[in-house]
Amino acid sequence: EPEVTQTPSHQVTQMGQEVILRCVPISNHLYFYWYRQILGQKVEFLVSFYNNEISEKSEIFDDQFSVERPDGSNFTLKIRSTKLEDSAMYFCASMGGSYNSPLHFGNGTRLTVT
Amino acid sequence: SQKIEQNSEALNIQEGKTATLTCNYTNYSPAYLQWYRQDPGRGPVFLLLIRENEKEKRKERLKVTFDTTLKQSLFHITASQPADSATYLCALVNSGYALNFGKGTSLLVTP
Repeated sequence: EPEVTQTPSHQVTQMGQEVILRCVPISNHLYFYWYRQILGQKVEFLVSFYNNEISEKSEIFDDQFSVERPDGSNFTLKIRSTKLEDSAMYFCASMGGSYNSPLHFGNGTRLTVT
Repeated sequence: SQKIEQNSEALNIQEGKTATLTCNYTNYSPAYLQWYRQDPGRGPVFLLLIRENEKEKRKERLKVTFDTTLKQSLFHITASQPADSATYLCALVNSGYALNFGKGTSLLVTP
């Protein structure tokens, strides 16, 4: 069964550094998402992406964050200047078909900012 | 503001019993509701979707009900097994089509 893959599985970075989290969504899916989950807390929506542009973003997704689909297969999340509070699990998800289809999640990248 | 509330306390049940998890929501007018399963350190996995005009949906040992008047969904696992131990997440689409999740209810099924 096709799946969403994320790399790396664990990223450690120093505060103030830039990080890029990478995702390969399911190939025929059209909608792409990033979520984050701080340890012990709920899965929080960051951003959705459709037709090569952001379709919606949450308050969390400020100017430090950006997304890109550089080559038609990868979907990336960049954090320009990481803060300690960015430490979390980041999940990529994709969805095919209509907007009420289920989301398919990757297994996440654990980001640790020191 | 929009809220999705799930039992914050863990649910411990014995193998073979039925587990019932609750999801309540406020300030949503959902056309549908979804349930996901999340294992530690893993991404959520879709289980079931129920539409507003469906009172009940079943899939194998899983059953979901959806009461838009009470603004509540119930998620049942019958004949529970230790392998069902996980966190179960309720999810709704907000006004802008992003899927929002509740905090989830942790289920532990003991032999």
